[in-house]
Amino acid sequence: QVQLVQSGAEVKKPGASVKVSCKASGYTFTSYGISWVRQAPGQGLEWMGWISAYNGNTNYAQKLQGRVTMTTDTSTSTAYMELRSLRSDDTAVYYCASHKYSSGFLFDYWGQGTLVTVSS
Amino acid sequence: EIVMTQSPATLSVSPGERATLSCRASQSVSSNLAWYQQKPGQAPRLLIYGASTRATGIPARFSGSGSGTEFTLTISSLQSEDFAVYYCQQYNNWPTTFGPGTKVDIK
Repeated sequence: QVQLVQSGAEVKKPGASVKVSCKASGYTFTSYGISWVRQAPGQGLEWMGWISAYNGNTNYAQKLQGRVTMTTDTSTSTAYMELRSLRSDDTAVYYCASHKYSSGFLFDYWGQGTLVTVSS
Repeated sequence: EIVMTQSPATLSVSPGERATLSCRASQSVSSNLAWYQQKPGQAPRLLIYGASTRATGIPARFSGSGSGTEFTLTISSLQSEDFAVYYCQQYNNWPTTFGPGTKVDIK
């Protein structure tokens, strides 16, 4: 069965960086894209960007351009999301989600989420 | 970017009753509309895509309708496990955007 397993919770100071991992199993990793979606406490869902696991092409949400980098390691079927210059309003649960290239950003599988807390 | 709105913000329903949730897009998204269910402490789960197609394993009591800018999710007879927050999402235009959610709670 398809599984996306994310790394554990992080606590960071303002200005620091965080890198969250998402290990995929149960499918051919390069056949799906991986998006990252975050959810601030008590808030809704915000799409951050995506990466093609096939060729590494990325596309980021405009508000995060310059602060976020998404990468993959096909040898371990793992996707990564790095967010730099952290601010308090980056405190959120970060999810990875897979989607077929043919169906656009339709998220059929999700990781369990990684809580990132930004606090001095 | 396309703005998604949902109503009501909270819907109080008794078990066994019907629930009707609405989602509106600021411009047409054709039928590229999905619904997700999220329970506390869990990741969202895909319920409906293409406005009306149930995802794998989703019970028949969940149904979706609409196209263009107006969409509806109906839960025909609420079960205890259906009390959750429901989000709509458009994936017709970049960037994909979500609605703010409707919380369905027990009346």
